Amino acid sequence: DVKVTQSSRYLVKRTGEKVFLECVQDMDHENMFWYRQDPGLGLRLIYFSYDVKMKEKGDIPEGYSVSREKKERFSLILESASTNQTSMYLCASSAPRSTEAFFGQGTRLTVV
Amino acid sequence: AQSVTQLDSQVPVFEEAPVELRCNYSSSVSVYLFWYVQYPNQGLQLLLKYLSGSTLVKGINGFEAEFNKSQTSFHLRKPSVHISDTAEYFCAVSDKRNTPLVFGKGTRLSVIA
Repeated sequence: DVKVTQSSRYLVKRTGEKVFLECVQDMDHENMFWYRQDPGLGLRLIYFSYDVKMKEKGDIPEGYSVSREKKERFSLILESASTNQTSMYLCASSAPRSTEAFFGQGTRLTVV
Repeated sequence: AQSVTQLDSQVPVFEEAPVELRCNYSSSVSVYLFWYVQYPNQGLQLLLKYLSGSTLVKGINGFEAEFNKSQTSFHLRKPSVHISDTAEYFCAVSDKRNTPLVFGKGTRLSVIA
């Protein structure tokens, strides 16, 4: 089974802190994604990556950056956390030439 | 760009009753369609998918969905729900391989004993 692991289930950070959300997958997938989930808004794509050191902006990239130094790891970075970034963050991966995404358990981030 | 509309944000239903969760997508020549389920405080789990072939797709936990190209719909159904089906359900679409999925806003299914 594909396993996508997000390093934290719950995080509480202060406004202005730099925050790292880590995601690791163990199936050698090329594609990795970060989504944000908010009530009534569904999942919105923040960033995605099709290869190491490659990244593309999704629908809501403002306030976020990403890093993909190794194939299995995709990090989401909040350079200066703000209260409007309080949300559930979901990482996903998929195989090349595939559309089916496999999701991690999610990180619920609270910025105070 | 693709878009997905889930017509109901909340659906309450009694245990052992049938349920249909509706999903419509914006038109495209070809689409790949998915339903995911999210239990409380969990990530998303794939229920079923349509890539090509038969328009009736069967998934896990007794769910099925029918792809209707003329109506651009992919409604999810279950003939008899259980309490354990209480969760949020997301419809997702992509119009080509190797592209990110576009998700609907979700439908919260509440099964009442």
